[in-house]
Amino acid sequence: EVQLVESGGGLVRPGGSLSLSCAASGFSFSTYSMNWFRQAPGKGLEWVSSISSSGSYIYYADSLKGRFTISRDNAKNSLYLHMNSLRAEDTAVYYCARDPPPVTAIGCFDYWGQGTLVTVSS
Amino acid sequence: QSALTQPASVSGSPGQSITISCTGTSSDVGGYKYVSWYQQHPGKAPRLLIYEVSNRPSGVSNRFSGSKSGNTASLTVSGLQAEDEADYYCSAYTRTSTVVFGGGTRLTVL
Repeated sequence: EVQLVESGGGLVRPGGSLSLSCAASGFSFSTYSMNWFRQAPGKGLEWVSSISSSGSYIYYADSLKGRFTISRDNAKNSLYLHMNSLRAEDTAVYYCARDPPPVTAIGCFDYWGQGTLVTVSS
Repeated sequence: QSALTQPASVSGSPGQSITISCTGTSSDVGGYKYVSWYQQHPGKAPRLLIYEVSNRPSGVSNRFSGSKSGNTASLTVSGLQAEDEADYYCSAYTRTSTVVFGGGTRLTVL
């Protein structure tokens, strides 16, 4: 069974940093591209970043470039998101999600974690 | 990366059909077949309903169908059931390998 479990959320002060993790199990993690999304309270979904299976290709939402860094450790079946210079508007539930199996589909996300809440407040 | 445009809400009675639109540009919805739809119940993670405009993943009811014309994609839910009441989001893969979402549509089953 595919499982994605996010962790690392919590309360952080404006200007602070936080790192999120996503532990993957039930599939061959090293062969799948992975992604981060977020959803502010009462708002819609927002794509944050994507990373290819090997980590060679990385993409970010324009509004987040320079503050957020996506990475992965295939040996640990884990995906990460390091967030710097956090602002109140970064307050959201952060989800990790998997691309479908290679070559089967593009631009969609077939398994999602349950999310971890990040609150940026003084 | 401008958001795709969806109606804020739609409603229908049990057994009826509803359609949710999702309008983008030639750089996203209109330019490629990579439009997806997600269902999200309150407090839950999104669930993939439709990918590549009209394909359903295994396990998704055939009451859900997708289509596209020009820069507008559509999700149709037929035979409405109480459990269909949820938020629905469209997304599109863009020419710059990024992803853009619609603002979401709240479906109410009357």
